Amino acid sequence: GEEVAQTPKHLVRGEGQKAKLYCAPIKGHSYVFWYQQVLKNEFKFLISFQNENVFDETGMPKERFSAKCLPNSPCSLEIQATKLEDSAVYFCASSQSSPGRAVSTEAFFGQGTRLTVV
Amino acid sequence: AQKVTQAQTEISVVEKEDVTLDCVYETRDTTYYLFWYKQPPSGELVFLIRRNSFDEQNEISGRYSWNFQKSTSSFNFTITASQVVDSAVYFCALTNDYKLSFGAGTTVTVRA
Repeated sequence: GEEVAQTPKHLVRGEGQKAKLYCAPIKGHSYVFWYQQVLKNEFKFLISFQNENVFDETGMPKERFSAKCLPNSPCSLEIQATKLEDSAVYFCASSQSSPGRAVSTEAFFGQGTRLTVV
Repeated sequence: AQKVTQAQTEISVVEKEDVTLDCVYETRDTTYYLFWYKQPPSGELVFLIRRNSFDEQNEISGRYSWNFQKSTSSFNFTITASQVVDSAVYFCALTNDYKLSFGAGTTVTVRA
């Protein structure tokens, strides 16, 4: 597709429940990034993939967060046993090559998934 | 380590006024890229501009202009003759590897 597609748009989970978010990157883009935006402003980098390989996971709270990008499937971000502080908008972005290395490309962001943990 | 500082939390202007958003960055790398994104109330992130560290030319695109000053590590953004549709949160971002580091954002409110 020509845009990064994130589903669902909204997700409500009770504390302790599992949450799974999906991201279909733009066709032909080899890098996928996940960001968490809390309090409407602050963006926190979570993880990046180069194709199906984890490229950088320094931002992931590994105890409860996991992510995958498998061939021919949307990428996913899963939160086990959600907590109130996981409430945020989760953005996925894809780029043809890394934003820091490409000459002319930039990361295209999806519309985000708003996760509310109650 | 890299860091982006947007000191202005909120700016409110009347339509047709100019508004300048400040962005100061820190990085140890000589090669890096700077971005501005717009996040309107609907929530999506809209790419505005990308600038590499070797290109200090200022850029103008319609009512938008950007001033990159490497000597002061600043990449400021000006909206000329602001319009109500410019109301949004604007983010400055920096990358020198494989992830973007965002500033805290500046909320711009343009009143009719």
